[in-house]
Amino acid sequence: NAGVMQNPRHLVRRRGQEARLRCSPMKGHSHVYWYRQLPEEGLKFMVYLQKENIIDESGMPKERFSAEFPKEGPSILRIQQVVRGDSAAYFCASSPGSSRTTGYFGEGSWLTVV
Amino acid sequence: ILNVEQSPQSLHVQEGDSTNFTCSFPSSNFYALHWYRWETAKSPEALFVMTLNGDEKKKGRISATLNTKEGYSYLYIKGSQPEDSATYLCAFKGNNQGGKLIFGQGTELSVKP
Repeated sequence: NAGVMQNPRHLVRRRGQEARLRCSPMKGHSHVYWYRQLPEEGLKFMVYLQKENIIDESGMPKERFSAEFPKEGPSILRIQQVVRGDSAAYFCASSPGSSRTTGYFGEGSWLTVV
Repeated sequence: ILNVEQSPQSLHVQEGDSTNFTCSFPSSNFYALHWYRWETAKSPEALFVMTLNGDEKKKGRISATLNTKEGYSYLYIKGSQPEDSATYLCAFKGNNQGGKLIFGQGTELSVKP
């Protein structure tokens, strides 16, 4: 029973390039959450998606960041024109329908912008 | 702005010591409180989901209590072992917050043999 899978684990991008981070939820989970950990900070909520729908994107920066969770395939967090301040660990969590259950986290994707 | 605070920020104990740390969260619109154990370069591992005031949960040597009226939860580790070394995160889920979790900064525990 595979857990939440994130890839790539490590990604290096030059300023101005695009970064795409992928998250495959646990089998049977239709809810996906993205969190970001900036250096010296805790985990901060970014976006909550269900299949083909963005439910809550209140934690997403207004520009350059977007997320999707298509009917088929993984959820993707996309960062356009990356800047040094985007360097962080990006974590994905998934859960089944009930919101009282815990979220199961992936191992994270570490983005470094040089 | 919802604020979740954990204390202490870090803790160094000897093997065999018992220890506890605190998570403070908003006492209004409470839905659930989650505890996670997080080792470097691994995924946060769920320990407990607590929903009712007065809840007490136990998993091996680790236990947690919940007070939703005053907005705090304690995590206890009895007889700490080196393998307990990790960062312990608590996360608040509010009634009107959808499914998102508001995390504290974590308590970093180091257990020396």
